[in-house]
Amino acid sequence: EDQVTQSPEALRLQEGESSSLNCSYTVSGLRGLFWYRQDPGKGPEFLFTLYSAGEEKEKERLKATLTKKESFLHITAPKPEDSATYLCAVVNSGGYQKVTFGTGTKLQVIP
Amino acid sequence: GAGVSQSPRYKVTKRGQDVALRCDPISGHVSLYWYRQALGQGPEFLTYFNYEAQQDKSGLPNDRFSAERPEGSISTLTIQRTEQRDSAMYRCASSVYRDSEAFFGQGTRLTVV
Repeated sequence: EDQVTQSPEALRLQEGESSSLNCSYTVSGLRGLFWYRQDPGKGPEFLFTLYSAGEEKEKERLKATLTKKESFLHITAPKPEDSATYLCAVVNSGGYQKVTFGTGTKLQVIP
Repeated sequence: GAGVSQSPRYKVTKRGQDVALRCDPISGHVSLYWYRQALGQGPEFLTYFNYEAQQDKSGLPNDRFSAERPEGSISTLTIQRTEQRDSAMYRCASSVYRDSEAFFGQGTRLTVV
């Protein structure tokens, strides 16, 4: 069974203090790994898709990287508006393409 | 439409009643997913459609839960004989094709009393 583990569960940063969120996964053949951002009371909002080890994607202060066992979401010089829960999800390469989400990392950036 | 639309936004029902939750995906999106999300948790996969075909329903908790997408567009998730443990946020998502990123709706908050 596919598994996704995210750490830490919660992270509190000062504005400008860079850090990384971790997503470890076990999947029967990775078809893709997704990062989403979720604000309270809203649905997850897509950030990145990574398909193969060594791949990197960037968007503003966020950079996602992928290895064969884990993905990192690096946050450089975060701002208070980056506060949200960040979710990682994997899609296996099996015929039915089931999507498995982690429980998320709740990030709080303090001014 | 501009985004994934779910209705109703909130539903309160009595234990034992049937409920139907509706999802209107982004126009042209082939894939449609149903998830259930508990507070503080990530979305839990329920079922998935490609066009009108239900490709995977392994996440449906039991046979009280069913879903359909008869014309490959709007989907309905039906819960029969609701129980209090069914109370949760139910989210729908759609994507252009099965490998692409999913866009989520605002969800339906179901409360069974």
